[in-house]
Amino acid sequence: DAGITQSPRHKVTETGTPVTLRCHQTENHRYMYWYRQDPGHGLRLIHYSYGVKDTDKGEVSDGYSVSRSKTEDFLLTLESATSSQTSVYFCAISVKATTDTQYFGPGTRLTVL
Amino acid sequence: DAKTTQPNSMESNEEEPVHLPCNHSTISGTDYIHWYRQLPSQGPEYVIHGLTSNVNNRMASLAIAEDRKSSTLILHRATLRDAAVYYCIPDNYGQNFVFGPGTRLSVLP
Repeated sequence: DAGITQSPRHKVTETGTPVTLRCHQTENHRYMYWYRQDPGHGLRLIHYSYGVKDTDKGEVSDGYSVSRSKTEDFLLTLESATSSQTSVYFCAISVKATTDTQYFGPGTRLTVL
Repeated sequence: DAKTTQPNSMESNEEEPVHLPCNHSTISGTDYIHWYRQLPSQGPEYVIHGLTSNVNNRMASLAIAEDRKSSTLILHRATLRDAAVYYCIPDNYGQNFVFGPGTRLSVLP
């Protein structure tokens, strides 16, 4: 299994509070991704990174920001969580371009009350 | 975007072959076709990918139609552990992957 961990694995928070999710990899892969998964929507890309300090938006980036200061860590921040951001969040990594084989983490279940 | 059509759900008996179809009639000539699956309560995992000819690996086989407008993922002997949602994903002109709703495969003992 690819060395990808996500923390926390579960979180319950209140509307309006900031939340940061962490993705950590031990594979030294260049590309990292954040997806969210909701019933009936499959996985949707939030943001991705193609190197340290290099990030770009995905399909559903509104309300989210990301940072990547080290190759191994990719942080997803909800500046002010809303109930619509209740979801399961998956991190993924890949060696090459964005349609290279991706390896996924175990997911973080976030509930915003 | 290359659009895909997959059955919402399929059923198979354990130890029998399963053929999971995908229609991608708008795929471009250089787009690979990727298949991922997602087991319950886990992140997606890579299954197989191919461009034109049929591909095999230890998990599955991928049969790609000659006109590339469709493909079929073949699980040669389904096990209970193969119960998952299977996603067919064309390269989409080198843009990011687009995960549709996929096919939910149930495997009956």
